[in-house]
Amino acid sequence: DQQVKQNSPSLSVQEGRISILNCDYTNSMFDYFLWYKKYPAEGPTFLISISSIKDKNEDGRFTVFLNKSAKHLSLHIVPSQPGDSAVYFCAASAWGSQGNLIFGKGTKLSVKP
Amino acid sequence: KAGVTQTPRYLIKTRGQQVTLSCSPISGHRSVSWYQQTPGQGLQFLFEYFSETQRNKGNFPGRFSGRQFSNSRSEMNVSTLELGDSALYLCASSSLAGETYEQYFGPGTRLTVT
Repeated sequence: DQQVKQNSPSLSVQEGRISILNCDYTNSMFDYFLWYKKYPAEGPTFLISISSIKDKNEDGRFTVFLNKSAKHLSLHIVPSQPGDSAVYFCAASAWGSQGNLIFGKGTKLSVKP
Repeated sequence: KAGVTQTPRYLIKTRGQQVTLSCSPISGHRSVSWYQQTPGQGLQFLFEYFSETQRNKGNFPGRFSGRQFSNSRSEMNVSTLELGDSALYLCASSSLAGETYEQYFGPGTRLTVT
């Protein structure tokens, strides 16, 4: 049973526009949510995180929104750049086992010049 | 600050052998987690160590083990290697400050079992 789901395997966006990557989860015990960017054969690169007590967190071009009632979070990238093209993973963990991140399957983002 | 480092980056082993992978966390981070990444299963949690103690364990057989030293460096060991153990093994170190939790990954060790 997938606890963290990224239902869109791929997303294509024009350079300069907004990229919105979505993630759903089923476990209401999750307290921490993280987004990563990944290239093949490399480790994931941490982008931004949010805890369950907040509904928004911003860092530069990246904003994460959390809707606890819908068990849904999203990552907004504005403006999108060709260098943002990669696979993006959503991950979640619960307090007390925060080191145990549960990952989604990823969404491949392509930003077209 | 230096990032998470892992050694070696690549390994080729034969079925039945054992292997030890090493991870140095970001300075000041006391928690180290290990993950296995394969094309079919994605990223799967192996175990987490905090202050030299295993705090959490994933659903992997006992052939997979780990330890953490007093300087927070960690090693994982896989005994009696099987072909299915071929994967990218990732180490991550993390920090929890207030409500902010961040986990940073190393570049990984690519293990090939023949």
